[in-house]
Amino acid sequence: ETGVTQTPRHLVMGMTNKKSLKCEQHLGHNAMYWYKQSAKKPLELMFVYNFKEQTENNSVPSRFSPECPNSSHLFLHLHTLQPEDSALYLCASSQETTRVYEQYFGPGTRLTVT
Amino acid sequence: GENVEQHPSTLSVQEGDSAVIKCTYSDSASNYFPWYKQELGKRPQLIIDIRSNVGEKKDQRIAVTLNKTAKHFSLHITETQPEDSAVYFCAASLQGAQKLVFGQGTRLTINP
Repeated sequence: ETGVTQTPRHLVMGMTNKKSLKCEQHLGHNAMYWYKQSAKKPLELMFVYNFKEQTENNSVPSRFSPECPNSSHLFLHLHTLQPEDSALYLCASSQETTRVYEQYFGPGTRLTVT
Repeated sequence: GENVEQHPSTLSVQEGDSAVIKCTYSDSASNYFPWYKQELGKRPQLIIDIRSNVGEKKDQRIAVTLNKTAKHFSLHITETQPEDSAVYFCAASLQGAQKLVFGQGTRLTINP
């Protein structure tokens, strides 16, 4: 499965650490998304990028900082996180945001904040 | 904004029986309803979707029905098999909008 890749797959970090999650898509898509998946909660959309431009910030705290240098790469920079930020972070891509339904997900990064 | 409720949260059925998962949505303008399947430790994958201009769509053993008046849609899986065991998520979106709003998920277990 190489369509959408994410690294690292697992990450444990302290509340004072700074780390980054990486997502890469090899599908030629122009839109990329970050989702948070917590236990017993729906998938929560965090950010949307279309042609490298951020088009949606779903009221995400500033301790999460996204970066999209090109249509194939998406980063999520993390700093001073809280234990409640522990979750599975999923990246997804689609052809463009007007075709939001054709989303392809990456395998996710399992984040644990201690 | 849109709100999607999904029931049940867990569902256990005997292999070969049918399974039904239901979702309701709040925004009558929503017109696209996909279903995603997430196997344990794997990524969510689209399995079927329906647009508001049709009432039912089938793909082999899975089908989705939509009632726009009541604002609910359902996933039906017939002749269930062990590989159908997974978490299923419904979602709703206004086609052309930027985001899908997901339901809480249903953990389906198929008992042999």
